[in-house]
Amino acid sequence: AQSVTQLGSHVSVSEGALVLLRCNYSSSVPPYLFWYVQYPNQGLQLLLKYTTGATLVKGINGFEAEFKKSETSFHLTKPSAHMSDAAEYFCAVSDRDSGTYKYIFGTGTRLKVLA
Amino acid sequence: ETGVTQTPRHLVMGMTNKKSLKCEQHLGHNAMYWYKQSAKKPLELMFVYSLEERVENNSVPSRFSPECPNSSHLFLHLHTLQPEDSALYLCASSQALVAEQFFGPGTRLTVL
Repeated sequence: AQSVTQLGSHVSVSEGALVLLRCNYSSSVPPYLFWYVQYPNQGLQLLLKYTTGATLVKGINGFEAEFKKSETSFHLTKPSAHMSDAAEYFCAVSDRDSGTYKYIFGTGTRLKVLA
Repeated sequence: ETGVTQTPRHLVMGMTNKKSLKCEQHLGHNAMYWYKQSAKKPLELMFVYSLEERVENNSVPSRFSPECPNSSHLFLHLHTLQPEDSALYLCASSQALVAEQFFGPGTRLTVL
């Protein structure tokens, strides 16, 4: 069955430090993978996506993620955290298996950036 | 207007009221979604419409009734809600069912 696991519901980093948010998935067919960000009192906004092709995907605001099929992972990174990165981040996976589509969100990781 | 809009942004209603949430997408997408987001709970998919046909209904109580009159508009009709229905209700749209979704800002619903 398709699933998404985000390790760590809360992550704290210092301003300027590396951001690493973890996402593992399971899917019986090649998946599409997404990262979204949600700022307080707003909807979710797409950060980046992987569909096919290059496994290292660059997104907005300096974020990137790498699709690792052997590890069934799609971790989100940013070299240097900024105070404005404080938000909740959601990993999502979608696929179409035997004509049935599924789109599942992870439970989210709240990122706190310390001055 | 651009993207996905939702009205109202905030709604307070009593348990016996009837109200509707409105969502409009200006992106030319074919699929639309309703999600419920409660504090400390995962995002819950409620309904999915593709080309104006409902393709998914995730065991949502009948006090929530969706309507999709055309590919640009989606409504969520509410009646006799419970306090536990208080949440942020998000609408989203996508070009295809497996593609990235574009979200509106949400309606913050409080049921008294």
